[in-house]
Amino acid sequence: GESVGLHLPTLSVQEGDNSIINCAYSNSASDYFIWYKQESGKGPQFIIDIRSNMDKRQGQRVTVLLNKTVKHLSLQIAATQPGDSAVYFCAEKAGGFKTIFGAGTRLFVKA
Amino acid sequence: DADVTQTPRNRITKTGKRIMLECSQTKGHDRMYWYRQDPGLGLRLIYYSFDVKDINKGEISDGYSVSRQAQAKFSLSLESAIPNQTALYFCATSDTGGSTDTQYFGPGTRLTVL
Repeated sequence: GESVGLHLPTLSVQEGDNSIINCAYSNSASDYFIWYKQESGKGPQFIIDIRSNMDKRQGQRVTVLLNKTVKHLSLQIAATQPGDSAVYFCAEKAGGFKTIFGAGTRLFVKA
Repeated sequence: DADVTQTPRNRITKTGKRIMLECSQTKGHDRMYWYRQDPGLGLRLIYYSFDVKDINKGEISDGYSVSRQAQAKFSLSLESAIPNQTALYFCATSDTGGSTDTQYFGPGTRLTVL
């Protein structure tokens, strides 16, 4: 069945280091992927997206990598800051409107 | 001002009570959604609406109903609340934009059913 999952439920990094959050998906028909950030007491916020015809996309301090061969998605955050502490969700879409969300990874940034 | 607002932000109620959660948006989007979030689980879709005259059930619609009063307003009702409906509820919107339309979320409503 369809599923979007995360390898690590929590990740702790030192301020200034790079963070890598991983996600596995199982629907080979998915053609659009999104990363959301959810801070405490807030709703999920769009970070970056990538279409299946790409394998890498960069934003401001964030990079998403897509490996369709192994159905793996990752979010890289450069020079992690305390404000990056949050839960990060990956999500996938296989055409249409339905978005399937992963359970989330909590990122802790140590000062 | 926030683009997607939800009221109330927190609610504690008792089993059997009727509860309405409200969502308003100023983004001008046609599509609106209601999700619930439980610890350790991803967001699960309750209902969605593509426009004022369109209402569709999501994967966990039992025990819930919705009303799309206007393009900007989408409310979620629990006709007779039960304890396993205790969760964080999110409203979201998206533009009518094909397979890449991003969803924009409200701040959430924390509902506790005693």
